[in-house]
Amino acid sequence: GQNIDQPTEMTATEGAIVQINCTYQTSGFNGLFWYQQHAGEAPTFLSYNVLDGLEEKGRFSSFLSRSKGYSYLLLKELQMKDSASYLCAVRDNTNAGKSTFGDGTTLTVKP
Amino acid sequence: GAVVSQHPSWVICKSGTSVKIECRSLDFQATTMFWYRQFPKQSLMLMATSNEGSKATYEQGVEKDKFLINHASLTLSTLTVTSAHPEDSSFYICSAQDTEAFFGQGTRLTVV
Repeated sequence: GQNIDQPTEMTATEGAIVQINCTYQTSGFNGLFWYQQHAGEAPTFLSYNVLDGLEEKGRFSSFLSRSKGYSYLLLKELQMKDSASYLCAVRDNTNAGKSTFGDGTTLTVKP
Repeated sequence: GAVVSQHPSWVICKSGTSVKIECRSLDFQATTMFWYRQFPKQSLMLMATSNEGSKATYEQGVEKDKFLINHASLTLSTLTVTSAHPEDSSFYICSAQDTEAFFGQGTRLTVV
């Protein structure tokens, strides 16, 4: 099975940088995803890590350490529209791409 | 990027009726699709894995006779909520896997 932990809520200021952490325990690891979800909408893909290290994509970066079961999502130059829930999801290698989601971190960006 | 289309976006139905939700992968073939349910302020909970041409695999606690899944082609999976009750009111989301998981727009079901 899989166990995924991420903070419930975070608050940050517009223009700042925020790091959302995710720790996981899994019986078979096949990639970690970060998704953004605005209220009432489906999740949208942000990043995918399968090897250790940092993946950068514009204002968003994601880091993975498989040995530590740890990932973080880094958001730079925060904008008000970044206020959303951020979901960490781990895909296992035992069942054709099934992903388990964390409970999500609700980020509030304040002026 | 790949697109997954889910229909309808929202539906209101009477208690005891059935509702069908469609999930289509528009530009890639998906042998596997996933159905999730999300209650307010909670994360996505996997309900079942839909396999093209074979029976779906349901997660523990999900009634397969209540949530009927059909994956008749490589681009279409359907979820039918049978004999819906108010407690089935939720946000249902499908996803199809390529390199990453692509999500449909979601269906908000309200049972009255």
